Amino acid sequence: GDKVKQSPSALSLQEGTNSALRCNFSIAATTVQWFLQNPRGSLINLFYLVPGTKENGRLKSAFDSKESYSTLHIRDAQLEDSGTYFCAAELNSNNRIFFGDGTQLVVKP
Amino acid sequence: GPKVLQIPSHQIIDMGQMVTLNCDPVSNHLYFYWYKQILGQQMEFLVNFYNGKVMEKSKLFKDQFSVERPDGSYFTLKIQPTALEDSAVYFCASSSTGWGTEVFFGKGTRLTVV
Repeated sequence: GDKVKQSPSALSLQEGTNSALRCNFSIAATTVQWFLQNPRGSLINLFYLVPGTKENGRLKSAFDSKESYSTLHIRDAQLEDSGTYFCAAELNSNNRIFFGDGTQLVVKP
Repeated sequence: GPKVLQIPSHQIIDMGQMVTLNCDPVSNHLYFYWYKQILGQQMEFLVNFYNGKVMEKSKLFKDQFSVERPDGSYFTLKIQPTALEDSAVYFCASSSTGWGTEVFFGKGTRLTVV
């Protein structure tokens, strides 16, 4: 989307390596969520963030509202991390979430 | 954690027929949403709903679409009549206060219009 831009659009990682996904917002975001959409199409909620950072296992996410971006760091990538990662931001304090176009991640053995 | 249930997970329907997608939101949540995802594309906002009313809708929410939640039961999305371009995965979501709180998504209903 034009309000929420994700990068890269696609990523291939070797198992065991680290990487970071990024989400930039064209206007001020109040909250950010990161999701993993698995091959079946289901959304898995990874993080919900107000400005700050959260960590869960091999995943860590940060949201900087002043610089209008969020990152998702993947450490020690595993095969099951493959899928499409979406960030979604609540913009302008309204009751809707804008999604990015997603990053397609493939983790190879 | 809290779960939003969507029924059915997959529905196939003839073009021109009516379809109702059902969503069982998180208990005690007050704000409800529908999103549409065409295969391979990003998810896009359709509508949000609070206190029995549509609060906001996008241009994707055509006149053939309607939403309701009668008497606190399922939050439904009805499409009448369906068109081929309505084929997509429809995600329902709910949140407690509607702003600044976590939104929980269902697993989606894949609608195929033939």
